[in-house]
Amino acid sequence: QSVLTQPPSVSGVPGQGVTISCTGSSSNIGTYNGVYWYQQFPGTAPKLLLSGNNNRPSGVPDRFSASKSDTSAYLAITGLQAEDEADYYCQSYDSSLSAIIFGGGTKLTVL
Amino acid sequence: QVQLQESGPGLVKPSQTLSLTCTVSGDSLRSGGYYWTWIRQHPGKGLEWMGHISYSTATYYNPSLRSRVAISLDKSKNQFSLRLTSSTAADTATYYCARVSVGSFGSHFDRWGQGMVVTVSS
Repeated sequence: QSVLTQPPSVSGVPGQGVTISCTGSSSNIGTYNGVYWYQQFPGTAPKLLLSGNNNRPSGVPDRFSASKSDTSAYLAITGLQAEDEADYYCQSYDSSLSAIIFGGGTKLTVL
Repeated sequence: QVQLQESGPGLVKPSQTLSLTCTVSGDSLRSGGYYWTWIRQHPGKGLEWMGHISYSTATYYNPSLRSRVAISLDKSKNQFSLRLTSSTAADTATYYCARVSVGSFGSHFDRWGQGMVVTVSS
């Protein structure tokens, strides 16, 4: 069981928006501003999607954005496209565990 | 363009040591500025950070694996390696090497290898 909790799955229709949550605690998201998001397609390596201060690496569309509130972080995707169908992971650091940690991942289905 | 490529045996016998190497191109491990890491993904599961190494060879390990894991650096070959001792079936996973970017907002993984499937089985 992951220290960061994500919903196993979310879905949306093309054009709409979805939000994926990442719930942690005071020893990780509640303390550290650096929450990162990765996108992974089946059979491929994860790819950095968003950096801790909501920076998008080159090539990532501005339809993807991140936010944080207390001990939770959120990935928002607007204007859903079929190509967004993938697994999404959040990542932070946990001071109690002294480890870099990931959420369990969320499978996004575009209906 | 930085590229990372994992290599090593795809099949390891139980109790043996799992050893993988990551070859880096497009960036020099001598230059500093980045750390280098191993992350694994069990079949159908999420991601697990195993540990990373700095250009000065300082190492940081996941406490859950610390007794079994070692990461080393070979700057002359621009490679870094993973050793995981006393393998069991629970170590069957896809192993990724990646580059760690450390900034004011913490550490994250900005370049990844394609991944290597390792099966632990007799």
